[in-house]
Amino acid sequence: AQKVTQAQTEISVVEKEDVTLDCVYETRDTTYYLFWYKQPPSGELVFLIRRNSFDEQNEISGRYSWNFQKSTSSFNFTITASQVVDSAVYFCALSEARREYGNKLVFGAGTILRVKS
Amino acid sequence: DAGVTQSPTHLIKTRGQHVTLRCSPISGHKSVSWYQQVLGQGPQFIFQYYEKEERGRGNFPDRFSARQFPNYSSELNVNALLLGDSALYLCASSLEVSGAYEQYFGPGTRLTVT
Repeated sequence: AQKVTQAQTEISVVEKEDVTLDCVYETRDTTYYLFWYKQPPSGELVFLIRRNSFDEQNEISGRYSWNFQKSTSSFNFTITASQVVDSAVYFCALSEARREYGNKLVFGAGTILRVKS
Repeated sequence: DAGVTQSPTHLIKTRGQHVTLRCSPISGHKSVSWYQQVLGQGPQFIFQYYEKEERGRGNFPDRFSARQFPNYSSELNVNALLLGDSALYLCASSLEVSGAYEQYFGPGTRLTVT
């Protein structure tokens, strides 16, 4: 069975601080995909990144960076120099790779990030 | 390009009633998935459709059903509504059904059952 755990329920930081959101996953598949989504107060889930299980290179996109470590089954997300607009709920998700099973996403419970000015 | 659209935005129903939620995917996307998000939790997978065929079903009772139309739009139907069905219902579309393709979400329909 697949499972995603986001142990941090809520994080509060002051603007310009760096913050890391943790994600730990469980799967029996050797090929799988990991995702991060942002859910602002408006409610719409915004896609941030997809990473496949064969690519353990860290990725940086502006102030966002992701650290994928297969050995610890973790896919952590860091926001550098946080801004008030980063305040949202962030979800980590896992998907199987096999086409016959579709690409349903298994989500973690989410981490609420509050950035104070 | 237009994103995923859902209607209605908000809905209030009474226990025992029936509801139909609608979703239009991004142009060119053939797969539509439905998720239920209860307040304070992550979205839970309900259904996935691809080329009008059901490709996956989550752990939801038979009161929940869905279908996909030739234009790839989709409807989610819920019968005999319960208070516990109150949630944000999210629709997502993707090009294909492999995990290699990210899903793009619509704004959701907030259903309140009283």
